[in-house]
Amino acid sequence: GQNIDQPTEMTATEGAIVQINCTYQTSGFNGLFWYQQHAGEAPTFLSYNVLDGLEEKGRFSSFLSRSKGYSYLLLKELQMKDSASYLCAVSSFSGGYNKLIFGAGTRLAVHP
Amino acid sequence: EPEVTQTPSHQVTQMGQEVILRCVPISNHLYFYWYRQILGQKVEFLVSFYNNEISEKSEIFDDQFSVERPDGSNFTLKIRSTKLEDSAMYFCASSDRVSNNGYTFGSGTRLTVV
Repeated sequence: GQNIDQPTEMTATEGAIVQINCTYQTSGFNGLFWYQQHAGEAPTFLSYNVLDGLEEKGRFSSFLSRSKGYSYLLLKELQMKDSASYLCAVSSFSGGYNKLIFGAGTRLAVHP
Repeated sequence: EPEVTQTPSHQVTQMGQEVILRCVPISNHLYFYWYRQILGQKVEFLVSFYNNEISEKSEIFDDQFSVERPDGSNFTLKIRSTKLEDSAMYFCASSDRVSNNGYTFGSGTRLTVV
């Protein structure tokens, strides 16, 4: 079966660093995405990993270990506007086509 | 930056009525998707569409649902006879292929069935 796990909620302080973990068990793995979602809005793309290692993009970094079925999203210099849900999503390749399978999301609250 | 456009942003309908949710994907994209998100729950895959036919559908996508690309630009999701449990945000997405930018999501249609 397909399974993606991430913590339900996290809290952090403005200016700090937070790491959001994601573990997955999926078939036809074809990359892992992280999305940010504010309440009532669409997911917006943050990062994509298909090979093992760290991808850095400004204040956001994402890491992937395919052998461990593990990824994390690292947010540095947290700002109040970073309060949102962070969705781990795996691209699953099956029958010649890809689709995204989402985790339930991690709701991050950044406080002063 | 190219966008996926969805209309309407909010639709209220009575149980048993038919609804059509509309999407205009990014013009050079080839793969189209519908996802839904029930309030407080995760984003769920409904259906993918390529080359004018369904490429994959989930268990949620039963006979009440259908998709169509009627005119080469619009991509629609029809729910034939809505149920209360169909109330959700429906997101359309498109992609050219899996790339570093992945899938582009529309802003969603909030469907409320009363």
